[in-house]
Amino acid sequence: TQLLEQSPQFLSIQEGENLTVYCNSSSVFSSLQWYRQEPGEGPVLLVTVVTGGEVKKLKRLTFQFGDARKDSSLHITAAQPGDTGLYLCAGFGGSNYKLTFGKGTLLTVNP
Amino acid sequence: EAQVTQNPRYLITVTGKKLTVTCSQNMNHEYMSWYRQDPGLGLRQIYYSMNVEVTDKGDVPEGYKVSRKEKRNFPLILESPSPNQTSLYFCASSLSDRGTEAFFGQGTRLTVV
Repeated sequence: TQLLEQSPQFLSIQEGENLTVYCNSSSVFSSLQWYRQEPGEGPVLLVTVVTGGEVKKLKRLTFQFGDARKDSSLHITAAQPGDTGLYLCAGFGGSNYKLTFGKGTLLTVNP
Repeated sequence: EAQVTQNPRYLITVTGKKLTVTCSQNMNHEYMSWYRQDPGLGLRQIYYSMNVEVTDKGDVPEGYKVSRKEKRNFPLILESPSPNQTSLYFCASSLSDRGTEAFFGQGTRLTVV
């Protein structure tokens, strides 16, 4: 069984602060996705990273895929209340060829 | 607009009363799946389907059934619901099973009393 560990599980910060959430595994993934889920909604894809060491930016969000393709991070600069939500990482590949989700990081950005 | 539509959004039912949650996608996707989301446990896959008439068990299939008679529809059936199936359910579809973007429905919050 491939596991994706996300940390921290909960994060509450003030508007304007920076933060990083992590997604770690002992398994190698072909690709890794990050989703954001808002209350009462389904997860929505933010980005997919495919190459080891890859960095992608989406406005104030920076995503990095580890060199060994076992881990990933999401960095948010100058967080805003609209960033509040559950951030999920999901890895694809390995022995079971399915999308495996982490348990998520619940981010609250206070005004 | 590309979307996955689930119905109903909310459902309260009694133990043992059969129910069906419908899921429909308009993107001609081959791969569809059902997840349940529980606090502290994250998203867990119940069943998936790689194409019409092709379904298989996910990580937590006990107590659930699915069917895929048409490409666009993938209903989830609980033949005899029990309280431990109280959860938030999501249907998702993607172009393939090769790690392509998963599009999720809005969720169905099921309570079994």
